Parts: sequence; C-alpha cells; structure tokens
Amino acid sequence: GDSVTQMEGPVTLSEEAFLTINCTYTATGYPSLFWYVQYPGEGLQLLLKATKADDKGSNKGFEATYRKETTSFHLEKGSVQVSDSAVYFCALLNFGNEKLTFGTGTRLTIIP
Amino acid sequence: DSGVTQTPKHLITATGQRVTLRCSPRSGDLSVYWYQQSLDQGLQFLIQYYNGEERAKGNILERFSAQQFPDLHSELNLSSLELGDSALYFCASSVETGVSGYTFGSGTRLTVV
Repeated sequence: GDSVTQMEGPVTLSEEAFLTINCTYTATGYPSLFWYVQYPGEGLQLLLKATKADDKGSNKGFEATYRKETTSFHLEKGSVQVSDSAVYFCALLNFGNEKLTFGTGTRLTIIP
Repeated sequence: DSGVTQTPKHLITATGQRVTLRCSPRSGDLSVYWYQQSLDQGLQFLIQYYNGEERAKGNILERFSAQQFPDLHSELNLSSLELGDSALYFCASSVETGVSGYTFGSGTRLTVV
C-alpha cells in the first residue's frame, strides 16, 4: 500500500538557517504530494502541493519538488524564522484512493 | 479560520461512555474525512463521506461510527470509550476527491479518564 517516510525529528535550528526536511514515498501510479503544517494547538494547514513529476510547490518561502526518479518530496526553506516552529507533515493522495496518507510528522523548533 | 468547524474543542469523559463529535465542512465541500491523531500512532484515517454516502473506510474501530447528514455536516460517534481513545480528532473537507488537498478543522481533543 501507499506509505510516506519522513525525516525523524525533532529538528532544532537557529533563526536564518537553511532547512531541509526529507520525505520519500511509496505508491503505485502518480500520486499528488503535499506538505501540511500544524502550529501549536491548531489543525493542519496545507502548506504546498505538487500534482505531477518535476512540479515545484511553493508557499511562504518554502519549496518542494516532486522527484519521481527518487520518489521524494523534500521540504526546503532558505532562511527560517521563529514563527516557522511547528510540526510538518508530508502526505500523498493516490488517484482512486481518496484518503491522504501522512508521514509521522517532523517537529521543527527555531531558536532566536 | 479554515471554514471547517468542529465542536466541541475539548471533551473529557469517563471510560465506557459515549460521545459525539460534530463537523461542519467548508461551504461547497461535499467530502468529509475524519482522522485520529495520537502520540503513538500519528495521523490515522478513519472514514470518509461524500454527499451523504460512506466513500472510504480506514482504521476505524467497530465501537466508532459516523454519518453525514443532508446539510453535509458530519458526526463521529465514539462508544464504550477506553483510555486509549484519548486523542485529537480532526475533520477535514474537500470539494470532491481532495486532489487539491483537504481543509482541516482545528480538532476536538478527547480525554478519556
């Protein structure tokens, strides 16, 4: 079945550092890929998405590129801020299977 | 505000009891999804409804049931509660198949004591 493997956390970075959170997936066909973010005490918010190979999703300075050859969708940001502290979830949605499959989440803490 | 409304925000109840969680989807969304988030199991898909009909089922226990009403709001019923049912329960909605992603509510935190 479909699965998503995320970089283990927690991750702690200093403000303005470069961020990478790794995500790889296993799925048949051509799934859509997503990054969701969960701030403390809140629900999940869609951060960015990509629906086909080589697509790049971007939002709020975050980027991720759908790499079919490596089955990856790594999340990157060039300069993180304290306000980026949250839990980040990678997820996939496969055509014909309407539920989102989530990774385990990566807790990110940014220190000033 | 995401547009998906979940009530109540917090619920504390005793083992063996029954509770109902409510979700109102975003205006225009026909699909409703229920997820359970616990520390040890992460985000687990429970069930999906589309326009009143059950569409997909995940790791939902027999003690749990759900329905979607004609006005598209949904309720998740949890019965014979156990300590291990303590978790955050999220509802999400999408227009149809969710290919553009879901919109999540802020969740109901259930504590079973």
